[in-house]
Amino acid sequence: GDSVTQMEGPVTLSEEAFLTINCTYTATGYPSLFWYVQYPGEGLQLLLKATKADDKGSNKGFEATYRKETTSFHLEKGSVQVSDSAVYFCALYSGAGSYQLTFGKGTKLSVIP
Amino acid sequence: EAGVAQSPRYKIIEKRQSVAFWCNPISGHATLYWYQQILGQGPKLLIQFQNNGVVDDSQLPKDRFSAERLKGVDSTLKIQPAKLEDSAVYLCASSLYGGRDTEAFFGQGTRLTVV
Repeated sequence: GDSVTQMEGPVTLSEEAFLTINCTYTATGYPSLFWYVQYPGEGLQLLLKATKADDKGSNKGFEATYRKETTSFHLEKGSVQVSDSAVYFCALYSGAGSYQLTFGKGTKLSVIP
Repeated sequence: EAGVAQSPRYKIIEKRQSVAFWCNPISGHATLYWYQQILGQGPKLLIQFQNNGVVDDSQLPKDRFSAERLKGVDSTLKIQPAKLEDSAVYLCASSLYGGRDTEAFFGQGTRLTVV
């Protein structure tokens, strides 16, 4: 079945540091890939997405590239801010007989001034 | 535009009691999802509706969980009787349609504690 594996947290970074959160997946067919973010006290919200190989999703300074050859969708940001502190979820939608978003376990990011 | 509304935000019940959660999706969204998020894990789909029909309920524990979506709009999720392992955040989400490129919008969730 479909699955998503993302790096264990929590991750603590200083402001303006470079961020990478690794995400790899297993899926049938050609999935769409997503990063969702959950800020403290709020619901999950879509951060970015990519629907086919080599697509790059970007939003709010975050980027992730759909790598079919390595089945990866790593999240990156060049300079994190305190306001980026949140839990980040990698997810996929395979569309191959499956109607559900499959999520990773989430990575908690804390950014300190 | 108004987001996905869920109530209550928090609920504490004793095991073997029953509980119900309510969700009002974004207006016009045909697809509605209920997810269970246990602490430290990612959300897991319990049930997906397309309008008022069930698309996927393969991971819904049907001996104790039930869900309905009346008139293809609001939805309720019920647990009866509750077990300790049902302690989790229950998330409702909606999307315009259930396709692979569609964005799912999530409510803030209901945190259930079973004691």
